[in-house]
Amino acid sequence: AQKVTQAQTEISVVEKEDVTLDCVYETRDTTYYLFWYKQPPSGELVFLIRRNSFDEQNEISGRYSWNFQKSTSSFNFTITASQVVDSAVYFCALSDTGFQKLVFGTGTRLLVSP
Amino acid sequence: DTEVTQTPKHLVMGMTNKKSLKCEQHMGHRAMYWYKQKAKKPPELMFVYSYEKLSINESVPSRFSPECPNSSLLNLHLHALQPEDSALYLCASSPRGWGGTDTQYFGPGTRLTVL
Repeated sequence: AQKVTQAQTEISVVEKEDVTLDCVYETRDTTYYLFWYKQPPSGELVFLIRRNSFDEQNEISGRYSWNFQKSTSSFNFTITASQVVDSAVYFCALSDTGFQKLVFGTGTRLLVSP
Repeated sequence: DTEVTQTPKHLVMGMTNKKSLKCEQHMGHRAMYWYKQKAKKPPELMFVYSYEKLSINESVPSRFSPECPNSSLLNLHLHALQPEDSALYLCASSPRGWGGTDTQYFGPGTRLTVL
C-alpha cells in the first residue's frame, strides 16, 4: 500500500531563516507522481509542484526548491529566506498512475515569526 | 486561470436539514472531486467524477449524495447529517478525466457545522 510520511508535525522559524520540510514515501509502482500543496489558514489547498518518478532533477522556483531522491524515497521541500506569508500547513502527496487518488501525508505546520 | 469556486463559504445546519454544497470550475477540466477534511488532518477523498460520471465513491454514507449536472458543476447534497460530519469540504478539479497523473486544483472549501 502506498504511504506518505511527513515526520515533522510542526516547525517554527524566524523570518529569513531557511527551512526544509521532509517527505518520505512508499510505493511499489515504478510510475508515480509526487505533489506538494500549501494550505494557508484560509483553507484552500494551493498546488506548488508535481514531479514524476522518472524525473529526478531538482527544481527551484523563486525561494522554493525541491529535492527528489528515489534512492531514499524522499521528496523534500526547502524554503529559502522564509517569510511570514509562508506560514501554512504543507502537504506532500503521492498519486498512482491509473488512479485518481492522492495519498496525503499528515502535513507539516510551518510557523514563521517576524 | 486555475480557479475553483465553492459556495457557501460557511454552513450551519441541523441534523434534520437538507442542504447542498456547490462547486464550479470553468477551466474545461474533466474530473471533479469532493474531499472532507477534519481539523489537523489531511483531506480524505469522498467522490470522483470523471466525464460527468461517478467513478469513485470511497464508501461514503448515503447521507452525502453527489451530483454532477454538467462538466463545470459539482454538487454535494446533504441530508440527516451527524455532528461528526462537521468539517471543511473541499472541491477539486483536474484537466483529464482519468489517471493519477493529473494535478488537482482545489477550491477554498465550505466549512460545515452540524448542530
